[in-house]
Amino acid sequence: AIRITQSPSSLSASTGDRVTITCRASEGINNYLAWYQQKPGRAPELLIHAASTLQSGVPSRFSGSGSGTDFTLTISGLQSEDFATYYCQQYYAYSPTFGGGTRVEIK
Amino acid sequence: EVQLVESGGGVVQPGGSLRLSCAASGFTFSSYWMNWVRQAPGKGLEWVANLKKDESERYYVDSVKGRFTTSRDNAKNSLYLQMNSLRADDTAVYYCARGFGATGIGFDIWGQGTKVTVSS
Repeated sequence: AIRITQSPSSLSASTGDRVTITCRASEGINNYLAWYQQKPGRAPELLIHAASTLQSGVPSRFSGSGSGTDFTLTISGLQSEDFATYYCQQYYAYSPTFGGGTRVEIK
Repeated sequence: EVQLVESGGGVVQPGGSLRLSCAASGFTFSSYWMNWVRQAPGKGLEWVANLKKDESERYYVDSVKGRFTTSRDNAKNSLYLQMNSLRADDTAVYYCARGFGATGIGFDIWGQGTKVTVSS
């Protein structure tokens, strides 16, 4: 199975900060990468698919980039509602696999 | 409103069985791959199984092969996960999720989850 390495595992940031999370796939996955946000006690929600396409309704401060093996999620201007855990996931091949998650905490 | 609602979770002894259900509404259920994803307490997400819209293809993560079976009833807009020979490491919140894309293994709509605890 394709392994996804996500970093960092956690970070502390302040409202208004720019935050970057990275994912690296163990082999090329084209742009078949999604990003999810999960808040405590809630189901994950899709933020970005195809590496850089914003899901409908997701604020434009979220952006994604990358192709092949290296991908990035950027939050430009962190808001209070963005403190959550973020996961990347490859949907290029079976079995679909997730990164380990990045917990974004308030500094 | 597009919605998925899981049910059927609970506490079961090791070696026992449980059947989860997922009721879909607000979209044409029969047109989509459907998936099960789980999350052990305090851990990350793990894809478990999925099923093509016409049940012609289904796939499982290695750790549940031979123990779990997923099925669907398109007339009832429902997805199911039959879990047998349950183990402690199957303890998790189980989510059903709608698949997107050609592969059906991206997840654009999630249910709220149902908790399964395997313990004696």
